[in-house]
Amino acid sequence: GAVVSQHPSRVICKSGTSVKIECRSLDFQATTMFWYRQFPKQSLMLMATSNEGSKATYEQGVEKDKFLINHASLTLSTLTVTSAHPEDSSFYICSARETGRRYNEQFFGPGTRLTVL
Amino acid sequence: AQSVTQLDSQVPVFEEAPVELRCNYSSSVSVYLFWYVQYPNQGLQLLLKYLSGSTLVKGINGFEAEFNKSQTSFHLRKPSVHISDTAEYFCAVSRTGTASKLTFGTGTRLQVTL
Repeated sequence: GAVVSQHPSRVICKSGTSVKIECRSLDFQATTMFWYRQFPKQSLMLMATSNEGSKATYEQGVEKDKFLINHASLTLSTLTVTSAHPEDSSFYICSARETGRRYNEQFFGPGTRLTVL
Repeated sequence: AQSVTQLDSQVPVFEEAPVELRCNYSSSVSVYLFWYVQYPNQGLQLLLKYLSGSTLVKGINGFEAEFNKSQTSFHLRKPSVHISDTAEYFCAVSRTGTASKLTFGTGTRLQVTL
């Protein structure tokens, strides 16, 4: 149980294009999902908290218009990197917290490797 | 706010030897503590968690950790490591409560060799 998937697992795009990454909770409902960014050999940095049916909450320094987050259902959140540039290349990981759990256990997806040329 | 310190960026160890990965945290409120493992190009997998109760927590793959409130530590241990334990290990903390965010340490690379 508690499986989170991400699609695509790897994407290469040209500078200036937009890329959408999907995060799905496969066997549970997730009111809250989280999006992280991880640079090589570094820790995970929380980008934003996504709540179903409402606007995402972005961490300080994260551009809302650059990283668009939509959480339209209890099993799906999407992250769109708009007008991507080489500095946006990174490993993006989502996680989901099961609705109703009393503590903040997050189940992580396998990650998406974004390379912007 | 909470913070996590993992002092060891890399820990080399021989197979079948014991290992301890250190984690210290800072918080003015009650916390939950977690250890995650990340294999190359993969997401994070929960090894174990401390929520309350017994300070010795046992997790998957033979790992265990001990919560020490006075020393604000949550060190991860395994009595005998395997080559397959080679991975990045992250300690994380969150405030108690359902809506709290996770704060991660910088990670420790465990390298197991023959």
